[in-house]
Amino acid sequence: GNSVTQMEGPVTLSEEAFLTINCTYTATGYPSLFWYVQYPGEGLQLLLKATKADDKGSNKGFEATYRKETTSFHLEKGSVQVSDSAVYFCALYVNTNAGKSTFGDGTTLTVKP
Amino acid sequence: NAGVTQTPKFRVLKTGQSMTLLCAQDMNHEYMYWYRQDPGMGLRLIHYSVGEGTTAKGEVPDGYNVSRLKKQNFLLGLESAAPSQTSVYFCASSSPGQMNSPLHFGNGTRLTVT
Repeated sequence: GNSVTQMEGPVTLSEEAFLTINCTYTATGYPSLFWYVQYPGEGLQLLLKATKADDKGSNKGFEATYRKETTSFHLEKGSVQVSDSAVYFCALYVNTNAGKSTFGDGTTLTVKP
Repeated sequence: NAGVTQTPKFRVLKTGQSMTLLCAQDMNHEYMYWYRQDPGMGLRLIHYSVGEGTTAKGEVPDGYNVSRLKKQNFLLGLESAAPSQTSVYFCASSSPGQMNSPLHFGNGTRLTVT
């Protein structure tokens, strides 16, 4: 079956620090990979995605590279801001899985001024 | 641009009461989903639908029923609420016709069962 394992939180950083949230996956078939972000009191929203090996997704200063050889999709940002405080979810989607995505458990990030 | 709209936003029920959560999307998406989010447990899929008139069970379907009578609406019903159903419920939609389309989520319904 499909599964996503992401770094346990919570993660607390100071403003302007470097962020890495690790994500690894197992999948039957060829997955697309996603990072979603959930701000307090809101639903999840797409942060970035990558659909094939070696693709790099990027948005709002965040980046993640689809590494097929290590089955990983780690989220990085060079300089975090207080406004980046949120819960981050790694997810995969395989077209043959009847439309169902597989999510990691989420990593809570808190950025302090 | 409404996207995915969930109603109500908050609800408190007593054990044994029933209610229906409504999800509406205006993006003409084929697929719709109901998830619950509990602390430390991430997102768990309750039921989903791959088209109007079709529904299927997810990971945690017990105690819930769903209906997809119209393409744009997906209803989640609790026939006899239990305290274990206290959670935040999220509806989502996607379009498999768009290659690798991501999920679009509503803002959630916070349900408390006392």
